[in-house]
Amino acid sequence: DAKTTQPPSMDCAEGRAANLPCNHSTISGNEYVYWYRQIHSQGPQYIIHGLKNNETNEMASLIITEDRKSSTLILPHATLRDTAVYYCIVRVVQGTSGTSYGKLTFGQGTILTVHP
Amino acid sequence: GAVVSQHPSRVICKSGTSVKIECRSLDFQATTMFWYRQFPKQSLMLMATSNEGSKATYEQGVEKDKFLINHASLTLSTLTVTSAHPEDSSFYICSANRDRGWYGYTFGSGTRLTVV
Repeated sequence: DAKTTQPPSMDCAEGRAANLPCNHSTISGNEYVYWYRQIHSQGPQYIIHGLKNNETNEMASLIITEDRKSSTLILPHATLRDTAVYYCIVRVVQGTSGTSYGKLTFGQGTILTVHP
Repeated sequence: GAVVSQHPSRVICKSGTSVKIECRSLDFQATTMFWYRQFPKQSLMLMATSNEGSKATYEQGVEKDKFLINHASLTLSTLTVTSAHPEDSSFYICSANRDRGWYGYTFGSGTRLTVV
C-alpha cells in the first residue's frame, strides 16, 4: 500500500472548518484513500473514503486532487468531540463489491485539537 | 450495521497469568480479523491476522507462542496473552474485515490490559 504523510498536529477553533491534509504521492490507480479517526482510548472509527472524485457524507468531506497525490479531509463545523487522531490510509479495493483485502497499516496520523 | 464488540474493555492481571480477549462481529461475518497493539502516544501496530478455520499470520517480531489467536467461527476471534508480563501492558484493538461493502474495516472499542 502507498505510504502517506500527514502533519503531526493541528489546531482548530470550535465551529470552524478543520482541514486535514494528506500526501500520498505514490498512490496507484486501484488504491482508495480512507480516513479513520481515533478518539482517546477508543478503537478507530471509519470516516470516509474515495477514489478520485470528491466525497461527502454526514461526518466529513474528502477532497482529492486531480493527480490523486494528495487529499484533504474537511470537518465543516468542528466540535470539541472531534478532537482525535486522524489517520489517512490508502488501500487497494478489489472488484465491484468494494471488498478490501489484507492488513490495514496505520501511520502516525494527525492529532487534531479543537479548542473553544 | 458493521459492529465489532470487544471484551473485556479493561483488565488487570498478575504477572505470569494469562488473559483472553474476545472480538465478535455482531451483525456480519468476518473471515478475517486483525489484532493491533497500541502503546501510549503511539500508533496502532498490527500484531497478527486471524483467519477463520486456519492459523493466524503473525507480524515480524510478534511471538506466536505468547499471543495465541483463535478464530473458531466467522464471528469470533480471541487473543490470549500467555504468561503476561508488565511490558505486555498495552491497548489491544481488534478489527474485522467486512467481506462485502465499501466501508473497509470495523474496529472494536479496545481492551486496556494492565499487568501488575
